[in-house]
Amino acid sequence: EAQVTQNPRYLITVTGKKLTVTCSQNMNHEYMSWYRQDPGLGLRQIYYSMNVEVTDKGDVPEGYKVSRKEKRNFPLILESPSPNQTSLYFCASSSRQGYYGYTFGSGTRLTVV
Amino acid sequence: TQLLEQSPQFLSIQEGENLTVYCNSSSVFSSLQWYRQEPGEGPVLLVTVVTGGEVKKLKRLTFQFGDARKDSSLHITAAQPGDTGLYLCAGDTNAGKSTFGDGTTLTVKP
Repeated sequence: EAQVTQNPRYLITVTGKKLTVTCSQNMNHEYMSWYRQDPGLGLRQIYYSMNVEVTDKGDVPEGYKVSRKEKRNFPLILESPSPNQTSLYFCASSSRQGYYGYTFGSGTRLTVV
Repeated sequence: TQLLEQSPQFLSIQEGENLTVYCNSSSVFSSLQWYRQEPGEGPVLLVTVVTGGEVKKLKRLTFQFGDARKDSSLHITAAQPGDTGLYLCAGDTNAGKSTFGDGTTLTVKP
């Protein structure tokens, strides 16, 4: 089944403890992207990657890092999480960004206390 | 930062009624998509429009992309309770960035 897989689905962590949210797609898509979704603010783009080894900042990149060492994986790294990063996070991929739409993962609900 | 203004924010109608959701921006997009999202789940793609003036139909749903590629609309005919959900529009630049509207929460009462 063609899908985007995020892990974990739920995560509660403490301020300052580094964490990684994994994202993997099995559709050979070149484009991948991370979003956060907050009530009243909608989905906001954090980082995106047009292809392997190519990453760029979205609208809200502060406090996040990404890497794209291979086509299928696009992990989101929070080096020192803070409570304002509590949110619902989504990873998405596309075979041709700007032309085709996105396939989204099921989401990761992160709570930073 | 490009902005997409989606309206209305909330819509509650009776089964069988028609409705239209709007998505407007001052920016030009290379493509625009519509998604439907269930609580706690990822958005699911309904349609992508890429050509100015394009109209696409998906059963009772009709999607239109404005001639200038700055706006779009979603029209649902004879709404059913199964159409209840959050509808999102999203615009892409061909430079990789994507922008989402804040969504329209639709409730269709039996």
